[in-house]
Amino acid sequence: AQTVTQSQPEMSVQEAETVTLSCTYDTSESDYYLFWYKQPPSRQMILVIRQEAYKQQNATENRFSVNFQKAAKSFSLKISDSQLGDAAMYFCAYRSLTSGNTPLVFGKGTRLSVIA
Amino acid sequence: DGGITQSPKYLFRKEGQNVTLSCEQNLNHDAMYWYRQDPGQGLRLIYYSQIVNDFQKGDIAEGYSVSREKKESFPLTVTSAQKNPTAFYLCASSIVFADTQYFGPGTRLTVL
Repeated sequence: AQTVTQSQPEMSVQEAETVTLSCTYDTSESDYYLFWYKQPPSRQMILVIRQEAYKQQNATENRFSVNFQKAAKSFSLKISDSQLGDAAMYFCAYRSLTSGNTPLVFGKGTRLSVIA
Repeated sequence: DGGITQSPKYLFRKEGQNVTLSCEQNLNHDAMYWYRQDPGQGLRLIYYSQIVNDFQKGDIAEGYSVSREKKESFPLTVTSAQKNPTAFYLCASSIVFADTQYFGPGTRLTVL
């Protein structure tokens, strides 16, 4: 079974600075999606970014980018120019494309604090 | 506006009672999901449905039941058999089962 590990339970960053959140995963499959979701204090899960494993180019969405290293099974999220609104729980998730009925597998999350 | 709605936002239940959490989406998505989130934990899958009138158990289905009579609706019933139901419940949907999931705002269930 696939597993997702987020080794940093909590992180903090100064406003306007850059922070990187780590995620590693364990799988024997070659086709899959990886996601980062943000859960602010409102607790609604918001999709931040998605990466398809077959794409070598790292996904980017405005101030959010990933460093996807398939061989190392690593999928870190970089937040540039951090803003107060970035403070939230961040969850990394894995989705198999070869095991058709496998749902999303989530890590336990990293709580990000942004210091003004 | 298209989206996923969950109601109620907060729900209190006495021990021994069944309660039903509502999840509705107007995104025309085929697949819907229910997750449970406990403090300090990630999300765990309770049930999912790939299409109307079909659903499958997730990792922690015991003590829960669902129905999928309409494409837009996927209600979750927390039965008295669920021994520790106090948690935050999130509903999600995706265009098809393999696609990106989008989440509703959640329901906080507390057993008194």
